[in-house]
Amino acid sequence: LAKITQPISMDSYEGQEVNITCSHNNIATNDYITWYQQFPSQGPRFIIQGYKTKVTNEVASLFIPADRKSSTLSLPRVSLSDTAVYYCLVGEMGGGFKTIFGAGTRLFVKA
Amino acid sequence: DTAVSQTPKYLVTQMGNDKSIKCEQNLGHDTMYWYKQDSKKFLKIMFSYNNKELIINETVPNRFSPKSPDKAHLNLHINSLELGDSAVYFCASSQGTAKNIQYFGAGTRLSVL
Repeated sequence: LAKITQPISMDSYEGQEVNITCSHNNIATNDYITWYQQFPSQGPRFIIQGYKTKVTNEVASLFIPADRKSSTLSLPRVSLSDTAVYYCLVGEMGGGFKTIFGAGTRLFVKA
Repeated sequence: DTAVSQTPKYLVTQMGNDKSIKCEQNLGHDTMYWYKQDSKKFLKIMFSYNNKELIINETVPNRFSPKSPDKAHLNLHINSLELGDSAVYFCASSQGTAKNIQYFGAGTRLSVL
């Protein structure tokens, strides 16, 4: 299983772009990179998933370099409501039971 | 029209009691899960279940048992509750081969006194 490293916490201000980097040096060929967001007192919510290069949706962008040993979740123009814990997960598409959540990155957005 | 719903939201009980947490998903998914989130906020998977296969995390005590009356429901039964069982329990579901994209319920906060 890929070992995942991401910052424990980050601070930002409203309107800024936030980039959260996740390191996964021993990612396997069949592994995808998936990000979840968790607000206090709620369950995690799927944000974005990618395999290589760049993926963008209405919430975020995910940048994955060619070696796939790291990935960066980019949140454009954050607001106070983006304050949450962000989890980076690495695993096969069909590996539901093998889903492993790490400690996540606690993002705090200030006014 | 909540996609994954759990009841109750809060559960306070005494040590030694038996309790159940219910989970229902209306997404038509074929796989459901139970997770435990402890006080340090680590999320650990407990069970994965579809109509063909139950996978149990070997670290989960056998006092915990999932029961699925149908594809849309996966309830969690806990016998002889202990203080260390206090945590937030999340139910989740996924569909088909995209099992790493899971939809979570709002959680059940269990407090064992």
